[in-house]
Amino acid sequence: GENVEQHPSTLSVQEGDSAVIKCTYSDSASNYFPWYKQELGKGPQLIIDIRSNVGEKKDQRIAVTLNKTAKHFSLHITETQPEDSAVYFCAASPLNDYKLSFGAGTTVTVRA
Amino acid sequence: EAQVTQNPRYLITVTGKKLTVTCSQNMNHEYMSWYRQDPGLGLRQIYYSMNVEVTDKGDVPEGYKVSRKEKRNFPLILESPSPNQTSLYFCASTGYTDTQYFGPGTRLTVL
Repeated sequence: GENVEQHPSTLSVQEGDSAVIKCTYSDSASNYFPWYKQELGKGPQLIIDIRSNVGEKKDQRIAVTLNKTAKHFSLHITETQPEDSAVYFCAASPLNDYKLSFGAGTTVTVRA
Repeated sequence: EAQVTQNPRYLITVTGKKLTVTCSQNMNHEYMSWYRQDPGLGLRQIYYSMNVEVTDKGDVPEGYKVSRKEKRNFPLILESPSPNQTSLYFCASTGYTDTQYFGPGTRLTVL
């Protein structure tokens, strides 16, 4: 089965700086890579996703990059704000399989 | 409002006392699943359902049961809970764009 590893497990950044979270996956058949944000006391919520036919996708201050050859993908948050503080999860799955394999999560703290 | 609801949100029980956590979605999604979240392990899939009356095991199904009699509901059943099932549980449903919508979570403590 798919194995997703996520680093770092915790990340503290100064407000306004950038944050980068990296994930690797093992199954070359995976071609859908979503990122979820989980705020305290809530369920995970999709913030951005990428499919294997593109190498990069951006949505305002967040971007995701994918390197299928190396089997890794990353989340980039620029100009971090206090409301970016949360736990972030990466995941991977074969397209249309619906079964997501999640990373262990990264706790991001943005210092004011 | 499109949403996934779970009940109860918090539950403390004792070993061996059967319990059910309900899950309902109003988005007409066919695919639903249950996850448990434990520190350092991320989210692990317990069971999933591709459609009514179609369910299958995920990565950690031992000690759990599910049923899918209606499209909107997907209850999680613990016939004889044990302390190692103390965890945070999430129900999710998946739309046609592969996006999974998660419920608010159920924090279960088994004493």
